[in-house]
Amino acid sequence: GQNIDQPTEMTATEGAIVQINCTYQTSGFNGLFWYQQHAGEAPTFLSYNVLDGLEEKGRFSSFLSRSKGYSYLLLKELQMKDSASYLCAVREGSSGSARQLTFGSGTQLTVLP
Amino acid sequence: KAGVTQTPRYLIKTRGQQVTLSCSPISGHRSVSWYQQTPGQGLQFLFEYFSETQRNKGNFPGRFSGRQFSNSRSEMNVSTLELGDSALYLCASSAPGSETQYFGPGTRLLVL
Repeated sequence: GQNIDQPTEMTATEGAIVQINCTYQTSGFNGLFWYQQHAGEAPTFLSYNVLDGLEEKGRFSSFLSRSKGYSYLLLKELQMKDSASYLCAVREGSSGSARQLTFGSGTQLTVLP
Repeated sequence: KAGVTQTPRYLIKTRGQQVTLSCSPISGHRSVSWYQQTPGQGLQFLFEYFSETQRNKGNFPGRFSGRQFSNSRSEMNVSTLELGDSALYLCASSAPGSETQYFGPGTRLLVL
């Protein structure tokens, strides 16, 4: 089984930087995903980390440390439209096998003007 | 490319009825996964299909079932609906060799 923890809520100001942390415990780690979900909409893919280190994609970056069971999502130059729930999800199993994702409860980010 | 599509988008049923939800994956994607999202439990994995075979199943009762067709379209069925089945049901598809799942807009089911 897996246990995934992330903060329930965060608030930040437009133009600022925010870091959303995620810790996990798993028996067969095979990748960590970040998704963004606006209220009433489906989750949209942001990033995927399977090796340690930082992955940068525009204003969003994601970091992974497998030895620590830790990841963070970094959002720079925050915009009002970034107000959403951010979901951390972990995949277990070997590559090519079933793609079951276990999701954290999500971090509700509110960006204030 | 068109994204993942799900039908219907909204559904109202009463307790004891059954429901069938449909998902069409992105063209070329052969893996389809289903998730249930509720305010209390968050996003929970239901099952995954690949090449018409169920590859994995989450911790849900047997009332929840699914299937996949040769064109990769998938359906899920919930029989003997309970009030607690009210949720957003999300379908996600993945391309061969890719780990990333792309979600459809979901079907919002309300059980009265």
